[in-house]
Amino acid sequence: ETGVTQTPRHLVMGMTNKKSLKCEQHLGHNAMYWYKQSAKKPLELMFVYSLEERVENNSVPSRFSPECPNSSHLFLHLHTLQPEDSALYLCASSQRLAGADEQYFGPGTRLTVT
Amino acid sequence: GQNIDQPTEMTATEGAIVQINCTYQTSGFNGLFWYQQHAGEAPTFLSYNVLDGLEEKGRFSSFLSRSKGYSYLLLKELQMKDSASYLCAVRENQNTDKLIFGTGTRLQVFP
Repeated sequence: ETGVTQTPRHLVMGMTNKKSLKCEQHLGHNAMYWYKQSAKKPLELMFVYSLEERVENNSVPSRFSPECPNSSHLFLHLHTLQPEDSALYLCASSQRLAGADEQYFGPGTRLTVT
Repeated sequence: GQNIDQPTEMTATEGAIVQINCTYQTSGFNGLFWYQQHAGEAPTFLSYNVLDGLEEKGRFSSFLSRSKGYSYLLLKELQMKDSASYLCAVRENQNTDKLIFGTGTRLQVFP
């Protein structure tokens, strides 16, 4: 596996369910991110982990709970979501403080909340 | 406040040149990024500008004017595969990992 992978690619869940999104990066990067992408809206940064420590929490509701057990893995735990949470959830990684520090994105998880 | 503006949609013809503009108003500036995103796929990095001027990379070039809060992405010799959304993003300072994205410009290339 290379780059940034995400599972599952598609997820349909009810408002009372609990599920988790998984992201794995194989690039040796030291920072990982969760973004939300909704139709006709800009990419919204949700969480940033740098060196496994959460450094950014962009006013995200508590029904989204991130977890970063090591520098290669990032999870987003979901519970009691709302229909408006339906979106594409993208994971990204970067080598922080390394010049351009461009972020590499995974293919995303398309989430539908019913 | 923070604001990144891009046109919502553009169309162009195969073989032509297209320029996608991005204007920004942010509390600070430490670099501007362009990403390409094909429908249903991940955004992929295209270019990075932190100093004024033009950065050229093959068929793609990106320009930055910090005094004007303005950038553009120039695509030459357009190909059908260039049909995608192009996202402009600004990093406000060197100590943050946070990128502020525009809504993206959807480019359609016709034969």
